[in-house]
Amino acid sequence: GIQVEQSPPDLILQEGANSTLRCNFSDSVNNLQWFHQNPWGQLINLFYIPSGTKQNGRLSATTVATERYSLLYISSSQTTDSGVYFCAVYTFNTGGFKTIFGAGTRLFVKA
Amino acid sequence: NAGVTQTPKFQVLKTGQSMTLQCAQDMNHNSMYWYRQDPGMGLRLIYYSASEGTTDKGEVPNGYNVSRLNKREFSLRLESAAPSQTSVYFCASSDGEGNEQFFGPGTRLTVL
Repeated sequence: GIQVEQSPPDLILQEGANSTLRCNFSDSVNNLQWFHQNPWGQLINLFYIPSGTKQNGRLSATTVATERYSLLYISSSQTTDSGVYFCAVYTFNTGGFKTIFGAGTRLFVKA
Repeated sequence: NAGVTQTPKFQVLKTGQSMTLQCAQDMNHNSMYWYRQDPGMGLRLIYYSASEGTTDKGEVPNGYNVSRLNKREFSLRLESAAPSQTSVYFCASSDGEGNEQFFGPGTRLTVL
């Protein structure tokens, strides 16, 4: 089945720093979504981005489907950005619909 | 709009007991999903319902059953709980299969 790998697994930043999180997937996918899981466990939608580039405030994302990766950029990080960032890919094939989550990138932003 | 709601928020069961986790959405979405999240891991799909009246197995369906009660509600049942089912359970919905998913707050389940 499809493998989804996220890097780095852990990241510590000083407040104000920028970072890039990566999501690689091993086969073609139909859709891709980025989430932030805050320290209280809530899953927050960041981007639904099967291809191309999107921006929302300090966050932006780029998916290059032909090369099987997606990047999440966080600029001017804040302590409230701490938590775990997941990418999830959605596929349809003869086996039906599948959602595969990566293991996540755990981010801690220091004040 | 409340979005996706789940009940209960917390539950402790003894091995062999049964229970049903409830999920409801008010976004008029067609598709609904149940996931589990174990410590330090991403979510894994248990079952999903592409539309009212249909349900399909996901990656880890063993030990679970689901019911799509109507367009709004999708329940997950554990018939005989086992310690391996200790996890956080999330429900999600989307306007179509594979489209952007919106998640509920989760149910933290412990099986002793």
